[in-house]
Amino acid sequence: DTGVSQNPRHKITKRGQNVTFRCDPISEHNRLYWYRQTLGQGPEFLTYFQNEAQLEKSRLLSDRFSAERPKGSFSTLEIQRTEQGDSAMYLCASSITGKGEGYTFGSGTRLTVV
Amino acid sequence: TQLLEQSPQFLSIQEGENLTVYCNSSSVFSSLQWYRQEPGEGPVLLVTVVTGGEVKKLKRLTFQFGDARKDSSLHITAAQPGDTGLYLCAGPPWREGKLIFGQGTELSVKP
Repeated sequence: DTGVSQNPRHKITKRGQNVTFRCDPISEHNRLYWYRQTLGQGPEFLTYFQNEAQLEKSRLLSDRFSAERPKGSFSTLEIQRTEQGDSAMYLCASSITGKGEGYTFGSGTRLTVV
Repeated sequence: TQLLEQSPQFLSIQEGENLTVYCNSSSVFSSLQWYRQEPGEGPVLLVTVVTGGEVKKLKRLTFQFGDARKDSSLHITAAQPGDTGLYLCAGPPWREGKLIFGQGTELSVKP
């Protein structure tokens, strides 16, 4: 297994456009998480899935953000009508429930809204 | 709201010096984890501490979980330039599935 894969690595978009990011977790991991990170700060929780069920969404996640994990494998995070404040690194991580192990993170998608 | 506070936020030292990074909370955590992150990459797990008072060593890095499971520390002995990076502590709030992260400690080790 090559770990958690995120695509694209970089995305530049104009304000008001929609963007979609993809995350492919480690195949045997049933949990998948999305985080947002700005420069010099710790990752901020957005949402997570156990298999295909979305178990929690942060109150910080506005209605413009939506995430899916349709078959319990890969996940997508969509941001509609992007704003400059959405510029950040979007990180995906996966884990196995109950194993007590940490997350395995992907390399992230760097979003720049101009 | 459970918070993890790290200190210091920035640390710049010379090669060979020792340092300690602290991670504190007013809440009890079932475990705490430490990650290291390099620019443009995702965080990489260093260690998980689970038992109050637990000490784990990873080469020159020593991690400790407080007796009350509300705090943790990371001590680096004889720091090297390769230790440069963002160090993050993280933990799962009680009975919750997600991790919350501290704001990170930016470490710079100069040759």
